[in-house]
Formats: sequence, structure tokens, C-alpha cells
Amino acid sequence: KQEVTQIPAALSVPEGENLVLNCSFTDSAIYNLQWFRQDPGKGLTSLLLIQSSQREQTSGRLNASLDKSSGRSTLYIAASQPGDSATYLCAVSEMDSNYQLIWGAGTKLIIKP
Amino acid sequence: NAGVTQTPKFQVLKTGQSMTLQCAQDMNHEYMSWYRQDPGMGLRLIHYSVGAGITDQGEVPNGYNVSRSTTEDFPLRLLSAAPSQTSVYFCASSYFAGVGQPQHFGDGTRLSIL
Repeated sequence: KQEVTQIPAALSVPEGENLVLNCSFTDSAIYNLQWFRQDPGKGLTSLLLIQSSQREQTSGRLNASLDKSSGRSTLYIAASQPGDSATYLCAVSEMDSNYQLIWGAGTKLIIKP
Repeated sequence: NAGVTQTPKFQVLKTGQSMTLQCAQDMNHEYMSWYRQDPGMGLRLIHYSVGAGITDQGEVPNGYNVSRSTTEDFPLRLLSAAPSQTSVYFCASSYFAGVGQPQHFGDGTRLSIL
């Protein structure tokens, strides 16, 4: 059974730092991997989607990488800002499970001004 | 541009009561799903639908029913509320599950069962 893990559960860094969030999964037979952002009391916003054949995706200050063989993905945030404070979740999609998303529990990120 | 709309935003129920959580999307998405989110855990899939008239169970379907009579609407029914169903419920949609489209989420329904 696929399991998705995000460590650490919480992270606090000063404004302006570059940072990396981690996501690991146990079964490399994934269809794609997505990173989402969740603000308090709100729904989830899709940030980046990486297909299984891709190595990375970029959007502005965000860069997500995927290494299927090692079961890992990272979300790199450059020049962090207080507005980046949120919970970041990753989820993998599996073909064998009718493309259902399997979710990590998230990393709560706080950017200190 | 409404996206995915969930109602109500908050609800308190007594054990044994029933209710329907509403979800509507205006993006002509085929794939819709319901998740629950509990503290310290990832989202868990309750039910999903790949198109009007087609529904299937997810990871935690017990105690919930769904139907999909139109492309736009995907209501979730709690049959007899239990305290274990206290959670935040999210509805999501995408064009089609199998082509790697990002999912769009509603703002959630916060449900408390007393």
C-alpha cells in the first residue's frame, strides 16, 4: 500500500532564506505527484504537478523535483516571504488505484519577518 | 469565476442526525471527489465520480453516500452522524483523472458531531 510521508511536520525560517520541503513515497509506480498549498481555513491550491516521466517543474520562485527511483520529491522555495507561510502538502496519483490521490500529512511552514 | 463551491461552511449536528453536504463546480469537470481532513493526517478519499451517473468508493466510504445526477453537482450524504465523522470535508474536481490534471478544491465544510 502506498504511503506518503512529509518531514518535518513544521518548519520556521527567517524571511529571505531559500528552503526545501521534502516528500517521500513508498511505491515508485506513480502516475504523477502534486504539491499543494493550504492556507488556514481555506481549501487547497495546486502549485505544481510533475508527471512520472518528468524530473522537475518550475513556477516562479517554486521548483519541484521528482526522483521516482528513490521515492522522493522536493519543493524548493527561493527567497521566502511571509506570504509563503502556509501548510504544504504533496500527493501522488497511482494508475492502479484509478488515479486516486494518496496524501502526505503536510509541512506547516512559517516565514518570520 | 466560482470554481468549486461548498455549502455549508460550518455545521454542528447531533449524533444520529443526517445531512447533505453540497458541492458544485462550474468548470465542466468530469472528475469530482470528496475528502475528509483530520488533524495530523493527510486527506482521505471518501467517494469519487468520473462522470454523471458514475460513482465509486474511496478509502473511507462507510457512513457516507453520494450521487452524481449532473456534471456540476456532487452531494455527500451523512446517513446517521457519528462523533467519528467530525472533520473538515473538501470537495475537489478536475477535467479527467487519468490525464494528470490538477485538482481544484472548495474551501471546505467544517463539521462537528456532538
